[in-house]
Amino acid sequence: RKEVEQDPGPFNVPEGATVAFNCTYSNSASQSFFWYRQDCRKEPKLLMSVYSSGNEDGRFTAQLNRASQYISLLIRDSKLSDSATYLCVVNMRGSQGNLIFGKGTKLSVKP
Amino acid sequence: EAQVTQNPRYLITVTGKKLTVTCSQNMNHEYMSWYRQDPGLGLRQIYYSMNVEVTDKGDVPEGYKVSRKEKRNFPLILESPSPNQTSLYFCASSFQGANTGELFFGEGSRLTVL
Repeated sequence: RKEVEQDPGPFNVPEGATVAFNCTYSNSASQSFFWYRQDCRKEPKLLMSVYSSGNEDGRFTAQLNRASQYISLLIRDSKLSDSATYLCVVNMRGSQGNLIFGKGTKLSVKP
Repeated sequence: EAQVTQNPRYLITVTGKKLTVTCSQNMNHEYMSWYRQDPGLGLRQIYYSMNVEVTDKGDVPEGYKVSRKEKRNFPLILESPSPNQTSLYFCASSFQGANTGELFFGEGSRLTVL
């Protein structure tokens, strides 16, 4: 089982749609979780951290389920500018140095 | 402006010719790291550094070296590049460790080894 697995993409959705991405991780000792966004040919940028109680930032909601070892990202009212690849990132083995990135899920929002 | 700067941004080289990709950050971050990104494989960590003179292997360190003599710089060295090191490389930094906060990435260095 891969350490961090994400939904296979691409997701093609119309503007205004709600879309959800899931990500599973294999190491139950993982402590920190993030969603990053990467635009085509650009560097990744932090979208949001994921907290145990779940957290929301505008149209974006992240949730963590430790029992099932998955995290999710929900995007409401999709905009054209949301088109990007979304990377699930997990801090493995409780270390401060080693981050594992998922392969990413590509989202394309159409007019 | 707070940033992570990588150089060169693009490089085509030949097998066996030593090269260095520089990385510099101006945010006084303790943590720095190198990743490579390949189609179908995603981002994989090469090396990381928790502070000056402290470096550790990531998941794919073979064929690479790093050094952290100063807080702001974290060069990636390919002593004898091979074609399988053709990739897009990203340097990243963070104030304190990789699990506590935001990683700031450089714009990437696209390396081709012929």
